[in-house]
Amino acid sequence: DPKIIQKPKYLVAVTGSEKILICEQYLGHNAMYWYRQSAKKPLEFMFSYSYQKLMDNQTASSRFQPQSSKKNHLDLQITALKPDDSATYFCASSQDHSYEQYFGPGTRLTVL
Amino acid sequence: GQGVEQPDNLMSVEGTFARVNCTYSTSGFNGLSWYQQREGHAPVFLSYVVLDGLKDSGHFSTFLSRSNGYSYLLLTELQIKDSASYLCAVREGDNYAQGLTFGLGTRVSVFP
Repeated sequence: DPKIIQKPKYLVAVTGSEKILICEQYLGHNAMYWYRQSAKKPLEFMFSYSYQKLMDNQTASSRFQPQSSKKNHLDLQITALKPDDSATYFCASSQDHSYEQYFGPGTRLTVL
Repeated sequence: GQGVEQPDNLMSVEGTFARVNCTYSTSGFNGLSWYQQREGHAPVFLSYVVLDGLKDSGHFSTFLSRSNGYSYLLLTELQIKDSASYLCAVREGDNYAQGLTFGLGTRVSVFP
């Protein structure tokens, strides 16, 4: 059974629209993260949450807003989508005081 | 400059070894992780090191020299299925919910 679920697997959106990427983890972890991976760029850290509180934010744009309704959920809302937002978005989680991060399967977003 | 650097590609032969190098220059250092990523899949955790020296984990070993900002991942007794990208990632702060700074990854190709 998948331990980290990301939905949808693929997403196509038009420029200017808004989408929400879903992430749920069933590993019992308290920290969750969002990363983005674009072609020819390194995996890029965006946000981290612990016990539903924002711990670190490396995303300059306010168009990206994480939402945590439960300890094991961390969704990512993206508004006013641009073609440059096209990437695979990975959710990850880790246990308290553990440096091992587990990654979900990713959502591949394409903005036309 | 600041960041994590890795060679783009590495080719090796089945049954031999491959050494994936990583150099980093970051504002802080609190450990370095290695991940394996196959095309179209999520990164998978392999190893974490924070102390200087060699950490032998069997098929994968890792070395760290903090004074030189250098690490390597050593893959021994290579198999065709070891063909993948290997990502180096640095933790810059001491917050356990800290995002990681990744390199672009080294694509290792293992040939018969």
